Amino acid sequence: EIVMTQTPLSLSVTPGQPASISCKSSQSLLRTDGKTYLYWYLQKPGQPPQLLFYEGPYRFSGVPDRFSASGSGTDFTLKISRVEAEDVGVYHCMQSIQLPYTFAQGTKLEIK
Amino acid sequence: QVQLQESGPGLAKPSETLSLTCTVSGGSVSSGDSYWSWIRQPPGKGLEWIGYITFTGTSIYTPSLKSRVTISVDTANNQFSLNLNSVTAADTAMYYCAKNMGYWGQGTLVTVSS
Repeated sequence: EIVMTQTPLSLSVTPGQPASISCKSSQSLLRTDGKTYLYWYLQKPGQPPQLLFYEGPYRFSGVPDRFSASGSGTDFTLKISRVEAEDVGVYHCMQSIQLPYTFAQGTKLEIK
Repeated sequence: QVQLQESGPGLAKPSETLSLTCTVSGGSVSSGDSYWSWIRQPPGKGLEWIGYITFTGTSIYTPSLKSRVTISVDTANNQFSLNLNSVTAADTAMYYCAKNMGYWGQGTLVTVSS
């Protein structure tokens, strides 16, 4: 199965400052159809994961544009241009190019 | 917008079968290109995809649980279900259902304990 690895595992950010999370996969997530099967989620405290980005860079409905996703192949990045208090929680990346779907360990973002 | 809601017993005894249901509203479990998944998260740990059932009724499971898990669909009640047998304490987790990994239910906590 594909192994997903996120860094860092935790992040403490001052409001208004940027944040960046890396996600790496053990195999390329680019399929021959041209799509990249990489998802990003935010799990706020006590809530289920909510989708931020799908198939690589595509922002899900309602996601603020301070969030961006980039990357290709096996290396991906989630960026927050200016962190806000409501962004706290655990960020997860997941691959869906190969079964079983697999998640990384998650990155916990806290506010300083 | 589609909404999902998990339901089922919050407590299961070791060696018994855990049974959960996901009720779908705002959409049909029979709709094309729909994949209905179960995901779990042990307390304080990461997410684990359990498996899915497609709109055609095909089910796929993660290898580590394949021998113990069944996902089925009930089109009459617009629901899909998870059965996990021979449970142990290691199966204690929040269980989520999801559509196409984009729409998730709120989750239901299942504790395995005698």
